[in-house]
Amino acid sequence: DVKVTQSSRYLVKRTGEKVFLECVQDMDHENMFWYRQDPGLGLRLIYFSYDVKMKEKGDIPEGYSVSREKKERFSLILESASTNQTSMYLCASSLRTEISYEQYFGPGTRLTVT
Amino acid sequence: SQQGEEDPQALSIQEGENATMNCSYKTSINNLQWYRQNSGRGLVHLILIRSNEREKHSGRLRVTLDTSKKSSSLLITASRAADTASYFCARRVTGGGNKLTFGTGTQLKVEL
Repeated sequence: DVKVTQSSRYLVKRTGEKVFLECVQDMDHENMFWYRQDPGLGLRLIYFSYDVKMKEKGDIPEGYSVSREKKERFSLILESASTNQTSMYLCASSLRTEISYEQYFGPGTRLTVT
Repeated sequence: SQQGEEDPQALSIQEGENATMNCSYKTSINNLQWYRQNSGRGLVHLILIRSNEREKHSGRLRVTLDTSKKSSSLLITASRAADTASYFCARRVTGGGNKLTFGTGTQLKVEL
């Protein structure tokens, strides 16, 4: 079974803090994704990576950065957390193929910025 | 927006009834996928239908795709209380690489 784990289920941070969200997958997937999920807005893609050290912006990259130093690990960084970044953050991974297969999701991190 | 719409936003039915959720989109797609999310958890993949397919079945799930109308539907037959969850459609947009574009979801509640 594919397993995608996220470092925290719940996180509370203060405005202005630097926040690291970690995601690890154990199935040797090339692609990894970070989404945020807000009520009424569904899932929105923040960043994704299709290989080590490679990254591409998604739909809402402002205020975020990412790091992928190893194939199995993809980190999302909030350089200076703000209250409008309070959200559920979901990490996912998938094979990199011409024919898209499904994405496998972690359990999510509910981040509150106060 | 490329997100498209899911309809209805919320659905409440009795156990044993069928549940139908619809998804519409705006751009051409390579495939469309349905995911399920239990409250406060990650998403789980249910079924994938390719753009050249019209219907697909998996257990109690039936998915249809009409590319001329840019719409898909998910039917859950003989629903159970354990089917209570949010359901999302996700499209692999033509030329979008391996990215998926998710809809806003349908919240399904199945009551005993």
